[in-house]
Amino acid sequence: GAVVSQHPSRVICKSGTSVKIECRSLDFQATTMFWYRQFPKKSLMLMATSNEGSKATYEQGVEKDKFLINHASLTLSTLTVTSAHPEDSSFYICSAIPAAGASTGELFFGEGSRLTVL
Amino acid sequence: GDSVTQMEGPVTLSEEAFLTINCTYTATGYPSLFWYVQYPGEGLQLLLKATKADDKGSNKGFEATYRKETTSFHLEKGSVQVSDSAVYFCALGNSGGYQKVTFGTGTKLQVIP
Repeated sequence: GAVVSQHPSRVICKSGTSVKIECRSLDFQATTMFWYRQFPKKSLMLMATSNEGSKATYEQGVEKDKFLINHASLTLSTLTVTSAHPEDSSFYICSAIPAAGASTGELFFGEGSRLTVL
Repeated sequence: GDSVTQMEGPVTLSEEAFLTINCTYTATGYPSLFWYVQYPGEGLQLLLKATKADDKGSNKGFEATYRKETTSFHLEKGSVQVSDSAVYFCALGNSGGYQKVTFGTGTKLQVIP
């Protein structure tokens, strides 16, 4: 099956610093990747849709200047949390849809990245 | 807009018990329905799916039937195992050129020996 990998799986940073999380599709090309944030005991909140070669589409309420998304190639999307604060601590998950073939909405997820801001 | 409602957890069952996790949805058009599972410390993975009304998705002993008349997609398993302990997410995906998936809040299942 399609494999999506995230890195790092865990990161701890100081308040005010920036953190970059990578999402890679290992065995397929993905024109579209999604970034989610998962709060404790709550569902996944879609933050933004990342399209290869174009600007990301952010969901309402998500600060685009704080959560920078870049999708420079068909296999890599990055999420940069700028000037991180403790309230940004969360589990961030990416997912991807293969570019080729018919799709029924099935997503392939990365393992997630746990961000802790001190 | 689209929405998914699933039963609150956590659900605690003894090994070999019968499992039902309820899920209902609201959507325009004809969405695909999914159950994703998240094991501790891992990302989500697809458990099963159904793409049209009356379809039954099944995998690893789990099954769910796409019921358009009741807008439901309840997850069932006849005999749970300790290894089934995880968080289960019901989700719907709406096509039409933009594959946006809407998730329920997740139901944590704990199976005790």
